[in-house]
Amino acid sequence: QVQLVQSGTEVKRPGASVKVSCKASGYNFKNYGINWVRQAPGQGLEWVGWVSSFNGDANYAQKFQGRFTMTADTSTRTAYLELRSLRSDDTAVYYCSRGPLAFEMDPWGQGTLVTVSA
Amino acid sequence: QSVLTQPPSASGTPGQTVTISCSGSDSNIGSNTVNWYQQLPGAAPKLLMYATNQRPSGVPDRFSGSKSGTSASLAISGLQSEDEAVYYCAAWDGSVTGRVFGGGTQLTVL
Repeated sequence: QVQLVQSGTEVKRPGASVKVSCKASGYNFKNYGINWVRQAPGQGLEWVGWVSSFNGDANYAQKFQGRFTMTADTSTRTAYLELRSLRSDDTAVYYCSRGPLAFEMDPWGQGTLVTVSA
Repeated sequence: QSVLTQPPSASGTPGQTVTISCSGSDSNIGSNTVNWYQQLPGAAPKLLMYATNQRPSGVPDRFSGSKSGTSASLAISGLQSEDEAVYYCAAWDGSVTGRVFGGGTQLTVL
């Protein structure tokens, strides 16, 4: 079955970087892009951006341009979200999900908690 | 402040029909399809409705979606206790060239 499995919990200091992974299985990885969505504690969903698994093109929500980088590695069927210059308000669960740029996202990974704390 | 507006909470008793609204604008709901996601406690979101009114395989036909102008709705009929979750609407927004979500509606089954 189609499945996205994400890397484990991360705890980082402010100013540090972290790279979250999302390994896909059960479908042709190149045929679908990967979205990233974050959810701060007790809050709603916020779209981070989308990366093409075919050619690596990325589309970011404006507030995440510059500090966040999304990539996709077809050889390992894995998408990555790198967060730099971490701030306390980056503390959230980060989800990956399969889907085209402007349409539905399905399925979702289990989520990766990133905690930024001094 | 979410781009799409949802009521923060909704409730109903088992067997009832509940409707959750999602209000947007011309640049999102008004010109694109709407998706709905269900998030059970402690779990990742799950696709519940796509292309405004299409159910993925495995989603009961008790769930239905609709859209009129710049507003969309999710109706849940024959409410069951396992429907207790947070529901999010989402759509593509051409004015920001990105996906936007509603703030989520916590559904309580009384």
